[in-house]
Amino acid sequence: ETGVTQTPRHLVMGMTNKKSLKCEQHLGHNAMYWYKQSAKKPLELMFVYNFKEQTENNSVPSRFSPECPNSSHLFLHLHTLQPEDSALYLCASSQDGQGGETQYFGPGTRLLVL
Amino acid sequence: QQQVKQSPQSLIVQKGGISIINCAYENTAFDYFPWYQQFPGKGPALLIAIRPDVSEKKEGRFTISFNKSAKQFSLHIMDSQPGDSATYFCAASATGSARQLTFGSGTQLTVLP
Repeated sequence: ETGVTQTPRHLVMGMTNKKSLKCEQHLGHNAMYWYKQSAKKPLELMFVYNFKEQTENNSVPSRFSPECPNSSHLFLHLHTLQPEDSALYLCASSQDGQGGETQYFGPGTRLLVL
Repeated sequence: QQQVKQSPQSLIVQKGGISIINCAYENTAFDYFPWYQQFPGKGPALLIAIRPDVSEKKEGRFTISFNKSAKQFSLHIMDSQPGDSATYFCAASATGSARQLTFGSGTQLTVLP
């Protein structure tokens, strides 16, 4: 595997379910991100991890819970989601630096909340 | 102040034509301006990027034009091809907060054969 991988690619869940999204990067980067992509809206940054430590949490509801056990893996735990949480969830990684690092994105998990 | 405004929302161009997508920003601290390309079923991928010390950057058929005084930048795709049909996002970030890319809302480009 190369680049950034995400599983599952598609997920349908009820509002009372608990599920987790997984992201793995094979690029040796030390920063990882979760984004939410909704139709016709800008990508919304949700969480940033640098060297496994969460450095940003952009006012994301507590029903989304990130976990970064090491610099290669990132999880997004989901519970009691709402239908408006249906979106494409993208993971990205970059090599920390002084600025202007390229972010490499995974293919995303298409989430549908019923 | 963190917004990046992108237009148009959608664009249809004939094969061989020029595609132009525009972005405007307010935050004068932004100093890195990438464009990302996204195909259906894929994540965004970096296409080309520019810093404000130059007014133009060209890579093959893709050119970024940057106007610092107007706080605007644009993507030009010359000799557009059907394979260029994708969604294009502009973005911006500031040194020191480079992990926070602020994205535009995207332009869906369709190049007709």
